[in-house]
Amino acid sequence: AQKVTQAQTEISVVEKEDVTLDCVYETRDTTYYLFWYKQPPSGELVFLIRRNSFDEQNEISGRYSWNFQKSTSSFNFTITASQVVDSAVYFCALSEARIQGAQKLVFGQGTRLTINP
Amino acid sequence: DTAVSQTPKYLVTQMGNDKSIKCEQNLGHDTMYWYKQDSKKFLKIMFSYNNKELIINETVPNRFSPKSPDKAHLNLHINSLELGDSAVYFCASSQDWASGYTDTQYFGPGTRLTVL
Repeated sequence: AQKVTQAQTEISVVEKEDVTLDCVYETRDTTYYLFWYKQPPSGELVFLIRRNSFDEQNEISGRYSWNFQKSTSSFNFTITASQVVDSAVYFCALSEARIQGAQKLVFGQGTRLTINP
Repeated sequence: DTAVSQTPKYLVTQMGNDKSIKCEQNLGHDTMYWYKQDSKKFLKIMFSYNNKELIINETVPNRFSPKSPDKAHLNLHINSLELGDSAVYFCASSQDWASGYTDTQYFGPGTRLTVL
């Protein structure tokens, strides 16, 4: 069965600090996809990144970077020089093989990130 | 342009009532989903439809009935509402690629349901 664990329930840092959100996953499939979503205080779920199991290349997008390591089943997310607008709940999610065109996203518990001015 | 929209945004109702939440996507996607987010922010899939066909049904009480009149719409009807149904319900959609490639799910703004 697939499972996603975000052990950090809450993180609070001061603006401009770097912060890393951890995500550990479990799956028996060799083909799977990993995602990060952001849920700001306004409540919507915003897609940040998708990674497939065959692509372990790390990715950087502005102040955001992601470190995918299959050896440790981790897909960690780092925000560099954090800003107050980064305050949100961040979710890591996993999907395995599609079922007739649909994919089942399994979410972690979420990490509430607070950036203090 | 709104990609995935839901109505209403807020829904407050009494126990025992029947209510519906509507979802529409203008992304041309083939697959739509309903997720429930509980008070602890935990997100769990409820249903998925692909081209109007029910594909995923995650042991949801049969008081919940999804309906897809066409592939751009997926509505959620809830009968005999209970206190435990209070949650935020998210609709999402994704493209279905015949090649097997898994696309990203894009979420609507959510509907906060409060059952009194």
